[in-house]
Amino acid sequence: GDSVTQMEGPVTLSEEAFLTINCTYTATGYPSLFWYVQYPGEGLQLLLKATKADDKGSNKGFEATYRKETTSFHLEKGSVQVSDSAVYFCALSDAAETSGSRLTFGEGTQLTVNP
Amino acid sequence: NAGVTQTPKFQVLKTGQSMTLQCAQDMNHNSMYWYRQDPGMGLRLIYYSASEGTTDKGEVPNGYNVSRLNKREFSLRLESAAPSQTSVYFCASSHVWLEQYFGPGTRLTVT
Repeated sequence: GDSVTQMEGPVTLSEEAFLTINCTYTATGYPSLFWYVQYPGEGLQLLLKATKADDKGSNKGFEATYRKETTSFHLEKGSVQVSDSAVYFCALSDAAETSGSRLTFGEGTQLTVNP
Repeated sequence: NAGVTQTPKFQVLKTGQSMTLQCAQDMNHNSMYWYRQDPGMGLRLIYYSASEGTTDKGEVPNGYNVSRLNKREFSLRLESAAPSQTSVYFCASSHVWLEQYFGPGTRLTVT
């Protein structure tokens, strides 16, 4: 079945540092890929998405590129802020009429940014 | 436009008690989902409803039942709660081909 693997966390950075969170996936078809973010005590929010190979999703300074050849969707940000401290989830969707857009999640990566 | 709402926010149950978690969405989405979140395990799909009138098991359905009451509402029932069901439960909704929107979660403790 489909699966998503994220780099082990937690990750601790200083403000303005460069961020990379690795994500690789296994899927039989051509899934859509997502990054969700969860701030403390809240539900998940969509951060960015890519629906086909070589697509780049971007939002709030974060970027990720759908790499079919390496089955990866790594999250990057050039300069993190304290407000970026959260848990980040990589996910894939095998959308179909009969199943909705079911998501398979990675384990999540806790990011802490210190001032 | 409230998005996805869940009630209650917190609940404590004793082993063997039953309860229903409520979820509603006002975005006219066809599909709705229930997940549980446990430390180090990401989110795991319990049940989903691709469209009104249909429900299907996800990855971890044992011990749960669901009802898609109408297009807006999707409830999750624990008939006989167990300590292993202590978790944070999230409801989500989506159009078939698009991203999911999540509720704020219900934190459940079973003692």
